[in-house]
Amino acid sequence: QLQLQESGPGLVKPSETLSLTCSVSGGSISTNNYYWVWIRQPPGKGLEWIGNIYYAGSTYYNSSLESRVTISVDTSKNHFSLKLSSVTAADTAVYFCASEQLDWYFFDYWGQGTLVTVSS
Amino acid sequence: DIQMTQSPYSLSASVGDRVTITCRAGQSISGYLNWYQQKPGTAPKLLIYGTSSLQSGVPSRFSGSESGTDFTLTISSLQPEDFATYYCQQRETFGQGTKLEIK
Repeated sequence: QLQLQESGPGLVKPSETLSLTCSVSGGSISTNNYYWVWIRQPPGKGLEWIGNIYYAGSTYYNSSLESRVTISVDTSKNHFSLKLSSVTAADTAVYFCASEQLDWYFFDYWGQGTLVTVSS
Repeated sequence: DIQMTQSPYSLSASVGDRVTITCRAGQSISGYLNWYQQKPGTAPKLLIYGTSSLQSGVPSRFSGSESGTDFTLTISSLQPEDFATYYCQQRETFGQGTKLEIK
């Protein structure tokens, strides 16, 4: 049973870079069964897929965020990370990490989510 | 990206009712359609994957079906714990969500 846990600052200033890490336990991140994905949810709104990464390092990003997003993986630490640059108030959201199963592209294990507020 | 249009935006129903939520894909998606339930302050929970396969541990009152590019989530007999927001998902695209409220 995989467990995922997000960590990182809850407050980021406008124009700075948001950085979050997702620690994976209960299994290896170096598996060919999953992509590892970031999803966000602005307060009171719906879900937005940010991007994913395979353990070998290949990435795929939401085209609307691609110029500002970097997702990386550290297999030695069994975690993956999100960086979102030049943030504005519109990036205020709960950020979730999740596992994306490769056969049917569903998200079966999720972190609890972490609220990141962009404010000066 | 493939557009996913979910309806209705909100729905009021009573315990014991049968309810359906629909997601329409902008083009053929070969059955790659998943459904989630989200309660306030929690992460979404996978209910159905691959159009109609029930995720382990999910009650059998939840079911999914497909007709062309229209996908449906059905709850056969609403229980109090089913009042939540539901999302469809196809690869990197989520539907807008359906908030299911108690009538």
